[in-house]
Amino acid sequence: SQKIEQNSEALNIQEGKTATLTCNYTNYSPAYLQWYRQDPGRGPVFLLLIRENEKEKRKERLKVTFDTTLKQSLFHITASQPADSATYLCALYSSASKIIFGSGTRLSIRP
Amino acid sequence: DGGITQSPKYLFRKEGQNVTLSCEQNLNHDAMYWYRQDPGQGLRLIYYSQIVNDFQKGDIAEGYSVSREKKESFPLTVTSAQKNPTAFYLCASSPLLFTDTQYFGPGTRLTVL
Repeated sequence: SQKIEQNSEALNIQEGKTATLTCNYTNYSPAYLQWYRQDPGRGPVFLLLIRENEKEKRKERLKVTFDTTLKQSLFHITASQPADSATYLCALYSSASKIIFGSGTRLSIRP
Repeated sequence: DGGITQSPKYLFRKEGQNVTLSCEQNLNHDAMYWYRQDPGQGLRLIYYSQIVNDFQKGDIAEGYSVSREKKESFPLTVTSAQKNPTAFYLCASSPLLFTDTQYFGPGTRLTVL
């Protein structure tokens, strides 16, 4: 069966370190993968999109990689700040399954 | 929240009543979507619409209905047939269907008593 998993429910790291979040999937052939940020009680906000033929995308302190062989995407926040604390969702799109969201990883950055 | 409004923010209804959640966008997007989010779970797609007067069922459409009479508006009705309607409902839009970034509204938290 098709599945999308984000590596952990919660991740706590020290301010200034790099946060790395993982999104793994099985039995999909995604055309693209997206990462969103969601704060409590609010709608998700788009961060980055990476297509199946792209290996890496960057935006300011954010970097996402996409390995279709490993069926995995990594999302990195460098020089993390307490304001980066939120839940981060990955989402896959394929023509067969449309869009599927992971359950999210709650990231906490401690000062 | 990117030009998408949802109202109300909180909604309480008695079991057995239908309820309609509002979603309006001023982004001139063709595509609109409804998702449901339960605690600790990802968003699940209820319905989506590519264009006015067209909509398709998502993964969990049972017990829900939608309409798309205007480009800006995509209301969702939660019917009494929905077995477990208490959830956080999110509306989104994008320029084209599933080919671009989705912009989400602030959400409506529905509690059925």
